[in-house]
Amino acid sequence: DIQMTQSPASLSASLGETVTIECLASEDIYSNLAWYQQKPGKSPQLLIYYANSLNDGVPSRFSGSGSGTQYSLKINSLQSEDVSIYFCQQNYDSPNTFGAGTKLELK
Amino acid sequence: EVQLVESGGGLVQPGRSMKLSCAASGFTFSNYGMAWVRQAPTKGLEWVATISYDGSSTYYRDSVKGRFTISRDNAKSTLYLQMNSLRSEDTATYYCTRDKITIAAISHVMDAWGQGASVTVSS
Repeated sequence: DIQMTQSPASLSASLGETVTIECLASEDIYSNLAWYQQKPGKSPQLLIYYANSLNDGVPSRFSGSGSGTQYSLKINSLQSEDVSIYFCQQNYDSPNTFGAGTKLELK
Repeated sequence: EVQLVESGGGLVQPGRSMKLSCAASGFTFSNYGMAWVRQAPTKGLEWVATISYDGSSTYYRDSVKGRFTISRDNAKSTLYLQMNSLRSEDTATYYCTRDKITIAAISHVMDAWGQGASVTVSS
């Protein structure tokens, strides 16, 4: 199975700040990388797919980038509603696999 | 509005069976592949099984192969997960999800999620 390693495991940031979350795949996944946001007590929601495509209705302050084995999710101008756990997922190979998550809190 | 509503969860003894259902609305159910994803308490996400738009193809993670069966009834816009020989490690919230790509392809990108059904396997 392809292993997905997210970093950091948790981070604390201030309103208006820019944050970046990293995801490292154990092998090349050819940009088949999605990001999900899970707000407290809620189900996950798709943010980004194919590394940099914004899902419908997702604010433009979210962006994704990367290639090969290294990917990142950037959140510009952090808002209070962005407090969540963020997961990356590779959909290149079966079984599709998720990272362990990054918990984002407000400072 | 896309809606996925799971039902059928609860407490079950190890070795017993349970069937989850997911009622879909707000989109043409028969056009989309569907999947189940689970999340153990305070843990991450784990893909369980996927079914193609017409039910002709199914995919499972190794740990549930031979024990779980994913199926669908397009006339009822409903997805199912039959879980047999349940183990304590199957304890999780099970999410019904929709694949982002319609008809022939399966992307394994999940663009709609239900609220989840809690399954606890314990004696």
